Parts: sequence; C-alpha cells; structure tokens
Amino acid sequence: QSVLTQPPSVSGAPGQRVTISCTGSSSNFGAGYDVHWYQHLPGTAPKLLIYGNKNRPSGVPDRFSGSKSGTSASLAISGLQAEDEADYYCQSYDSSLSGWVFGGGTKLTVL
Amino acid sequence: QVQLVQSGAEVKKPGSSVKVSCKASGGTFNNYAISWVRQAPGQGLEWMGGITPIFDTTNYAQKFQGRVTMTADKSTTTAYMELSSLRSEDTALYYCARVPVTTTSFGFDYWGQGTLVTVSS
Repeated sequence: QSVLTQPPSVSGAPGQRVTISCTGSSSNFGAGYDVHWYQHLPGTAPKLLIYGNKNRPSGVPDRFSGSKSGTSASLAISGLQAEDEADYYCQSYDSSLSGWVFGGGTKLTVL
Repeated sequence: QVQLVQSGAEVKKPGSSVKVSCKASGGTFNNYAISWVRQAPGQGLEWMGGITPIFDTTNYAQKFQGRVTMTADKSTTTAYMELSSLRSEDTALYYCARVPVTTTSFGFDYWGQGTLVTVSS
C-alpha cells in the first residue's frame, strides 16, 4: 500500500489528453511538500518529468503539465503520442515518515 | 554533463550482503544528497534511503533500518549502498539518484543507470 495513491492504469488514443491523479495526505501534500512526476520505461532510469508541482525540466515537451491542490495532484498529458506509453510515478516528501515516498505507479497505454 | 554511473550486476546467495556503488561526475557533489531507489520485478519504485555527503548524515526508510548502510567518499564523489541479510524478495533493480541538499522542491533530477541484484540459492 503506497502512501501516495495513483490509478493502476490509464489509456488514451493518439492526440487525446489524459490525466493521472495522485492522492496524498496531510503529512505530504497537505504539509506543503511539492509533488514531482517521473516517466519510467522498463529497464531504463526514471526520468524527471515535472518538479515542484508544475515545472518542466529543460527538454520536457510542454504537452506535459502538472498541478497540485490540497492533498491531491495530477499530471496531464495532451496530444498523446505512442512514445508516451510508459509508467508514471508521483513522488513527494512525507513528514511523518521523514523520507521520500512514491505513488504506486500508473501504466499509460496509448491505444 | 552530470552523470551517475553505477556498478555492475550482482548475483548473491540468500543471507549474504551486496554493495552497490554510484559514481557522480559533472556536478558539485557536496550540493546534493544521494538517494537509493529500488524496483522489484512487477513492482513500483521504492525509496530505500539517502545520504548527504557534505554532512555525512543518512536517512533510511523504516523498512530497511538495520539492514542497509549508505556511505559516501567525497574524495572520489562515489556513494555506496550495502544491503545485508539478503533474501529473494531483495531481487530488484537498484538505482541511485541525486536531490538537492537544501530543498525538497526539485525532485531527483539525475539517476544512475540501475544495478540488477539477483538473490538466488
């Protein structure tokens, strides 16, 4: 059971927009800690996609956007492309655990 | 450019220990903490703990307390993660990643390539 809760899977057709939710609690998002999002392809290193709730590292397309409100966060991907098919993880710091926590991951399938 | 290069794959017997290295280059080693994250087959990412080399302090996830030891050598900008009393459930891909020391607002921006640890009799 992950501290951050994500849906196991989402899907969308090429060109569509999908969102991935991430639900936290008062000891992480609610305590003011930021959410970060990673894209992970099996066998490769996870890639930082969004940091500080809504910021994109250099090189990440603006098709990817993030938001956070209260104890929830979400990642939106617009203009879906086949190459977006991957696992996506949310992450934050948790004050009760005094450490970093990840969501359980969401598998994105591009139909 | 920033790189984190990890040591190679390991095969270990149950009950033994494994030590994985992570050499950092291209950045200011003292400005960052090194975290270790693992992914078991079919599972998600799991934070194991981290070390802040400039202060030589560690922070371990409760699940691994007593079994994991993280160290760092500032002279070679290399971090190490040693996991003891290995069991089959520790079979996983182990990653190191860097995070700024002073803030939790930037996430893990660079990752190592991963080290596969297989625990099998």
